[in-house]
Amino acid sequence: AQSVTQPDIHITVSEGASLELRCNYSYGATPYLFWYVQSPGQGLQLLLKYFSGDTLVQGIKGFEAEFKRSQSSFNLRKPSVHWSDAAEYFCAVGAGLGSARQLTFGSGTQLTVLP
Amino acid sequence: DTGVSQDPRHKITKRGQNVTFRCDPISEHNRLYWYRQTLGQGPEFLTYFQNEAQLEKSRLLSDRFSAERPKGSFSTLEIQRTEQGDSAMYLCASSFKKGPTAGGYTFGSGTRLTVV
Repeated sequence: AQSVTQPDIHITVSEGASLELRCNYSYGATPYLFWYVQSPGQGLQLLLKYFSGDTLVQGIKGFEAEFKRSQSSFNLRKPSVHWSDAAEYFCAVGAGLGSARQLTFGSGTQLTVLP
Repeated sequence: DTGVSQDPRHKITKRGQNVTFRCDPISEHNRLYWYRQTLGQGPEFLTYFQNEAQLEKSRLLSDRFSAERPKGSFSTLEIQRTEQGDSAMYLCASSFKKGPTAGGYTFGSGTRLTVV
């Protein structure tokens, strides 16, 4: 069964600083990987996804993520953080999306942005 | 396209009562999913439908939980004899089965259930 680990429960950065959120996954085959963002009391918004091809994936809001198979990682990055980026971020791995089905999420990283 | 709609947004119920939540997916999407999210955790998969067929159910979905998608459009999730442990955010999502956007789930804003 697949699993996702987000080692950082909470990260604080200053506005304008760079950001990297870590994600490690466990899955036996080629994974489908996602990053979602969730604002308080809201559902999840898809930032980006990786299915195959170029291992550097560009997403919305200036985010990017890099798939590193050798490290089983899919870290999320942003070169310059804005105050509006404060939210909770979830990494997820999906199995067999051509035919199914479910995503397995990490426990999330809460991002605080200081002015 | 108004996105995925969930109703109600909040529900407070007494232990032992039954509750029902509704999800209206994006109209073109043929897949619909239910997830549960407790405080401080990521969402956990409950079940999914392809059109009207319920194709997979998690072990988290006890006998007190039932989900339907009768005409392949909206879905309902019912919890019978609610327990305090059922308190959570219940999220619905929808997606296409195939194509370049396959797997790009669109989530609703969720229904927050509080069992007192």
